[in-house]
Amino acid sequence: AQSVTQPDIHITVSEGASLELRCNYSYGATPYLFWYVQSPGQGLQLLLKYFSGDTLVQGIKGFEAEFKRSQSSFNLRKPSVHWSDAAEYFCAVEVTFGTGTKLQVIP
Amino acid sequence: KAGVTQTPRYLIKTRGQQVTLSCSPISGHRSVSWYQQTPGQGLQFLFEYFSETQRNKGNFPGRFSGRQFSNSRSEMNVSTLELGDSALYLCASSLVIEGNTEAFFGQGTRLTVV
Repeated sequence: AQSVTQPDIHITVSEGASLELRCNYSYGATPYLFWYVQSPGQGLQLLLKYFSGDTLVQGIKGFEAEFKRSQSSFNLRKPSVHWSDAAEYFCAVEVTFGTGTKLQVIP
Repeated sequence: KAGVTQTPRYLIKTRGQQVTLSCSPISGHRSVSWYQQTPGQGLQFLFEYFSETQRNKGNFPGRFSGRQFSNSRSEMNVSTLELGDSALYLCASSLVIEGNTEAFFGQGTRLTVV
């Protein structure tokens, strides 16, 4: 069965600092991987997705993610966080979602 | 084009009642999925419909059911409501059912059971 683990429930970073959100998965084949963001009072928005090919995926809002098959990971990164990035982030393998990581950005 | 529309946005029901939630997908999308989001359990997959047929189902009791109409609009029904059913119910639509297509989410229906 598929499973997705986001080990960090809550992360706090300073504005301008770099960010990495972790995601590990369990899946029997090459997975289709997604990162979504949910801002307070908003619906889920797709940040980026990986189906095949280049393992470094560029998304919207300056985010990127790297697929590492050997580590079963698909971590989300951003070089410089903005206050507007404060939200909850979900990693997903097809229809299976992780429990989310809440990002707080401090001035 | 219009996004995924879920109605109503907010709903308050009492225990034992039943409720029906509606989801209108993006025009042309044929796959609709439903999710339950709670603070304790996070996002959990309920079921997925494609061409009026349920294709996938999550681990939820039979009180949770759904259907999809010929115009791809979908409804989700919860019978004999329990306090634990209080959650944000999200609907997502995609062009097809295969995993390599992205899903677009509605803003959800916030159900409160009292």
